[in-house]
Amino acid sequence: QVQLEQSGAEVKKPGASVRVSCKASGYSFTSSYMHWVRQAPGQGLEWMGIINPSAGSTSYAQKFQGRVTMTRDTSTNTVYMDLSSLRSEDTAVYYCVRDAGKILWQLVLWGQGTLVTVSS
Amino acid sequence: QSALTQPASVSGSPGQSISISCTGTSTDVGVYNYVSWYQQHPGKAPKLMIYDVSNRPSGVSNRFSGSKSGNTASLTISGLQAEDEADYYCSSYTSSSTLYVFGTGTKVTVL
Repeated sequence: QVQLEQSGAEVKKPGASVRVSCKASGYSFTSSYMHWVRQAPGQGLEWMGIINPSAGSTSYAQKFQGRVTMTRDTSTNTVYMDLSSLRSEDTAVYYCVRDAGKILWQLVLWGQGTLVTVSS
Repeated sequence: QSALTQPASVSGSPGQSISISCTGTSTDVGVYNYVSWYQQHPGKAPKLMIYDVSNRPSGVSNRFSGSKSGNTASLTISGLQAEDEADYYCSSYTSSSTLYVFGTGTKVTVL
């Protein structure tokens, strides 16, 4: 069964960092790029960046440059998204999303989402 | 890079057809065919409904169709059903530093 399993909800204080993991199963991990998308409560979708699980190369939306790091572990078929210097505006559900291939810009398989709450 | 512009809401009766517009610029929708549409039910993850302007993934009903003219893309839902009530987002690759942008979202209500 092809699926993406994300880590559980997190509560962080402003200024802290958070790591969200996303474990892929049921397909060749290195055959498809992985996106990260977030959605603040009651708001729309926002694209954060993309990682090539094969090479580990990344591209980030300019808004998140310097605060986000996406990595992968090919031994466990897991991608990670680290976001630092958290502020209240980062409170959102974070999704990992499998592309249909190598940057086809078709977000075909979504994880269940991870709620990150930033609050003092 | 601002979000692509969609109407906040669209409604229709069962069996009718509705269309949702998605207006971008000459740096995204107007020049690239990487336009997609996503359906999101409350509390659920989005689902890809249309990719590359007008293509449907396997398993998506042929009641959903997409098109593009200039800087504006459109999603049409024909034979509207109660299960189509959801939020819909368009998206596009962009040559700006954002790389990929979503629309503002449209809430579809089945009357």
